[in-house]
Amino acid sequence: AQSVSQHNHHVILSEAASLELGCNYSYGGTVNLFWYVQYPGQHLQLLLKYFSGDPLVKGIKGFEAEFIKSKFSFNLRKPSVQWSDTAEYFCAVQKNYGQNFVFGPGTRLSVLP
Amino acid sequence: ETGVTQSPTHLIKTRGQQVTLRCSSQSGHNTVSWYQQALGQGPQFIFQYYREEENGRGNFPPRFSGLQFPNYSSELNVNALELDDSALYLCASSVSGGTGGFYEQYFGPGTRLTVT
Repeated sequence: AQSVSQHNHHVILSEAASLELGCNYSYGGTVNLFWYVQYPGQHLQLLLKYFSGDPLVKGIKGFEAEFIKSKFSFNLRKPSVQWSDTAEYFCAVQKNYGQNFVFGPGTRLSVLP
Repeated sequence: ETGVTQSPTHLIKTRGQQVTLRCSSQSGHNTVSWYQQALGQGPQFIFQYYREEENGRGNFPPRFSGLQFPNYSSELNVNALELDDSALYLCASSVSGGTGGFYEQYFGPGTRLTVT
């Protein structure tokens, strides 16, 4: 069965530190890849997505992610985090022409002021 | 904020009861997906509706059922509630051709269901 893993359950950083959150998936075919963020008390919001083309994708709020097909990875990065980035981050994979998303378990990011 | 709305916001039910959750999709979206998010976990796909028919289902028992209406809004029904059904239920809407393809899902705020 297709699965998505996220390397860290909880990450704690100070403001201005760099961020990298890992995401790996097990499906071997063509996939679409997403990162969603869930701020405290708010709904899931799309940060960025990869469908095809340039494997380095840029999203909102200074986030970017790199798709490495050979490693089945789609890691999320941000050069300098802010306190307002404190949230839960979810990686999601959609099989090409699949109906549903498979989400990872999430990584909670706490940014200390 | 997305245009996806869900009601109610919170719900408390007793084991064995039945519950109906509602979702209004974003304007122009014809597909609705439902997810269950248990505490501390990622959302798990329940099923998807496209043009008023079920268009894919995850690993959930038949007591989880749904409907989609002509205006693309949707209901999730859960019968014979169990304690493990306590979770945040998320609705997501999208535009698709029904056979999949590349599309984004826009999530609502969720309904928090507590089963006692």
